Amino acid sequence: QVQLQESGPGLVRPSQTLSLSCTVSGGALNSGDYYWSWIRQSPGKGLEWIAYVYYSGTSYYNPSLKSRLSMSVDTSTNQFSLRLSSVTAADTAVYYCARADGSSYFRFDSWGQGSLVTVSS
Amino acid sequence: DIQMTQSPSSLSAFVGDRVTITCRASHSIITYLHWYQQKPGKAPKLLISAASSLYNGVPSRFSGSGSGTEFTLTISSLQPEDFATYFCQQTYSTPFTFGPGTKVESK
Repeated sequence: QVQLQESGPGLVRPSQTLSLSCTVSGGALNSGDYYWSWIRQSPGKGLEWIAYVYYSGTSYYNPSLKSRLSMSVDTSTNQFSLRLSSVTAADTAVYYCARADGSSYFRFDSWGQGSLVTVSS
Repeated sequence: DIQMTQSPSSLSAFVGDRVTITCRASHSIITYLHWYQQKPGKAPKLLISAASSLYNGVPSRFSGSGSGTEFTLTISSLQPEDFATYFCQQTYSTPFTFGPGTKVESK
């Protein structure tokens, strides 16, 4: 059974760049029709889908964040990553990585435990 | 973007009660609708995919129905472990969007 684990700093200063990685275990990132995603959850905005990346590197970003977003994938380490620039307090949230199954209506069938990121000086 | 709404936003119920949660989409999403359960401090867990397909290992007391713009999640007999928040999500078009959630509490 595939497992996902987020990693990254829990505190980011305003205007800096938030960087998170997700390590996939129990399955190869480049096997199957899976889209590796980031979702965040804050009290004020609920669950917000951020972006996904395919193992080939093809990605799609939420237009609301697109100008500040970058995702990458590393099949050699079975990791994918998120970079969100110019952060503000509004970016404070629990960030989840998850797997979307492209062969099953893009259902999100596996999630990481979540990583709390606080934006504060 | 497709907007998702849920009703009620919260409900109180007894163990053994039948519980129904409604999710509505601002545009037709056919059956690209999924339901998740989330407990405090935990990640969401997939319950139902494609509107009505029970995900692996999910108890049969959970069921989903609907298509187009209106969907329901039903718990036929609420169990103590079912007190949680439930979210719907559409994956018909990007950006994928979630409903605001329905919190099921013990009466």
